[in-house]
Amino acid sequence: DAMVIQNPRYQVTQFGKPVTLSCSQTLNHNVMYWYQQKSSQAPKLLFHYYDKDFNNEADTPDNFQSRRPNTSFCFLDIRSPGLGDAAMYLCATSRERAVLAKNIQYFGAGTRLSVL
Amino acid sequence: SQKIEQNSEALNIQEGKTATLTCNYTNYSPAYLQWYRQDPGRGPVFLLLIRENEKEKRKERLKVTFDTTLKQSLFHITASQPADSATYLCALGSTLTFGKGTMLLVSP
Repeated sequence: DAMVIQNPRYQVTQFGKPVTLSCSQTLNHNVMYWYQQKSSQAPKLLFHYYDKDFNNEADTPDNFQSRRPNTSFCFLDIRSPGLGDAAMYLCATSRERAVLAKNIQYFGAGTRLSVL
Repeated sequence: SQKIEQNSEALNIQEGKTATLTCNYTNYSPAYLQWYRQDPGRGPVFLLLIRENEKEKRKERLKVTFDTTLKQSLFHITASQPADSATYLCALGSTLTFGKGTMLLVSP
């Protein structure tokens, strides 16, 4: 059974048209992450939530926002997608934060975003 | 800034042989390091975590070593199988910085 579920698997949007990607988890983990991964590149951390505490990476563009309305769900909002935002977006969870060396991550299958 | 290097060229080996993948890092001293497997079009899957005070960690056919002096981790798959073909990513502990991964291709 899938434990981290991302919807949709494929998303096509138009240049400049806001888009929202969703992630849900059944693991009851405290931490949820969003990564961007381009072809043959490393997953790049955009931000993460520790419970309701939002942590943005320093180089994450303002165009990317996130919401976590409850433990189970987390959303990635791209306010004005550009062609360079076409990528695979990965959601992940971990039980605890890294400082406890318990940040083994469970990933969803990803959402592949295309920008036309 | 932290940098992780994994061999960008695919590693091609024959079934039954041992595959060895390398992860080198600079400008950081992680307390632990993780290895993940990623299949095409899928999210990474956690395989092993090794701490700085552990020289070696094993799980079934997998073995990971961690040399903090060399700033290097080696990932071994013994008796490799075609089903082991995938991209393998290393990630530095608390920073959640991933390498690009090395693609492993195991031919029958």
